[in-house]
Amino acid sequence: GDSVTQMEGPVTLSEEACLTINCTYTATGYPSLFWYVQYPGEGLQLLLKATKADDKGSNKGFEATYRKETTSFHLEKGSVQVSDSAVYFCALSDGGSRLTFGEGTQLTVNP
Amino acid sequence: DAGVIQSPRHEVTEMGQEVTLRCKPISGHDYLFWYRQTMMRGLELLIYFNNNVPIDDSGMPEDRFSAKMPNASFSTLKIQPSEPRDSAVYFCASSLAGVRGPQHFGDGTRLSIL
Repeated sequence: GDSVTQMEGPVTLSEEACLTINCTYTATGYPSLFWYVQYPGEGLQLLLKATKADDKGSNKGFEATYRKETTSFHLEKGSVQVSDSAVYFCALSDGGSRLTFGEGTQLTVNP
Repeated sequence: DAGVIQSPRHEVTEMGQEVTLRCKPISGHDYLFWYRQTMMRGLELLIYFNNNVPIDDSGMPEDRFSAKMPNASFSTLKIQPSEPRDSAVYFCASSLAGVRGPQHFGDGTRLSIL
């Protein structure tokens, strides 16, 4: 079945540091890929998405590129801020009506 | 536009009591999902509906859990009787046209069973 594996957390960075959160997936066919972010006390919010190979999703300075050859969708940001502290979830849809989520990666950014 | 609205935001009750969680999806969305989030098990899909009809309830833990969607603007998740291991944050999400469109989550109900 489909699965998503995320880099284990928690991740702690200083403000303005570079961020990479690794995500790899297993799926049949050509899934759509998503990154969701969950701020404390809130629900998940869509951060970015990519629907086909080589697509790059971007939002709020975050980027992720759909790499079919490596089955990866790593989340990157060049300079993180304290306000980026949250839990980040990688997810995929195989075209059906449900999402398969990774376990989530807790990011803490210190001033 | 209003997002997905869940109520209550917090619920504390004693084991054995009935618990009802409520969700109002985004108007026009035809899919509704119920999730449970815990530290131990992460985010789990419990059940989802399409056009008010339950499509997949394989994630519902046991018969104590039930979910209904009587109309396009309202859904409930009921636990009867509740147990301490049901303590979690329960999220409702809705989407348009399945999952190719993104799911929009409510802020969740934090449930504590004493």
